[in-house]
Amino acid sequence: SQQGEEDPQALSIQEGENATMNCSYKTSINNLQWYRQNSGRGLVHLILIRSNEREKHSGRLRVTLDTSKKSSSLLITASRAADTASYFCATDADDYKLSFGAGTTVTVRA
Amino acid sequence: DTAVSQTPKYLVTQMGNDKSIKCEQNLGHDTMYWYKQDSKKFLKIMFSYNNKELIINETVPNRFSPKSPDKAHLNLHINSLELGDSAVYFCASSNNERPQHFGDGTRLSIL
Repeated sequence: SQQGEEDPQALSIQEGENATMNCSYKTSINNLQWYRQNSGRGLVHLILIRSNEREKHSGRLRVTLDTSKKSSSLLITASRAADTASYFCATDADDYKLSFGAGTTVTVRA
Repeated sequence: DTAVSQTPKYLVTQMGNDKSIKCEQNLGHDTMYWYKQDSKKFLKIMFSYNNKELIINETVPNRFSPKSPDKAHLNLHINSLELGDSAVYFCASSNNERPQHFGDGTRLSIL
């Protein structure tokens, strides 16, 4: 069964705007990861946040983690057309095994 | 150089046939995985090998059989293909808890 669930399912924004998507999960985790998938391609790792961390930044990406609410958010600032993709959260509860959500599809309009 | 490469990229075949998908990684990772992504983009783990040893074997029909000849290769053989097997199959690799690196997928279509 899916561990993570992303919200919203789809998001359409204007270039330059920020995009925020959320992920909720059910069980305790070691870490939570965010991946991007461009159309027709494989998933690309964006950022990993450990269960004892609350916030992490990487370039224009900001990830938060609230283990008490079992939720995480991914913020993309100053979006670009190249950010158009599907974004997935993945929770790591057991060794080696990632559980993915169904993803948020982000469309950035020029 | 492609880090995780899968072949073929597209596979169109008839119901009942047997087919194989190959995966190779040149990252020196110890662990490799097979995932299935359905039409709604749900990504589900199928198998995982660590140093050629099977460590994850999810509830998958036994028509699916993975084989790892060495730690850089993980192949997936599917017998008696069914319509419901149509999906995108992704290979990935990693070292322990580090992020996984994915191939570009094999799009399997069953006629």
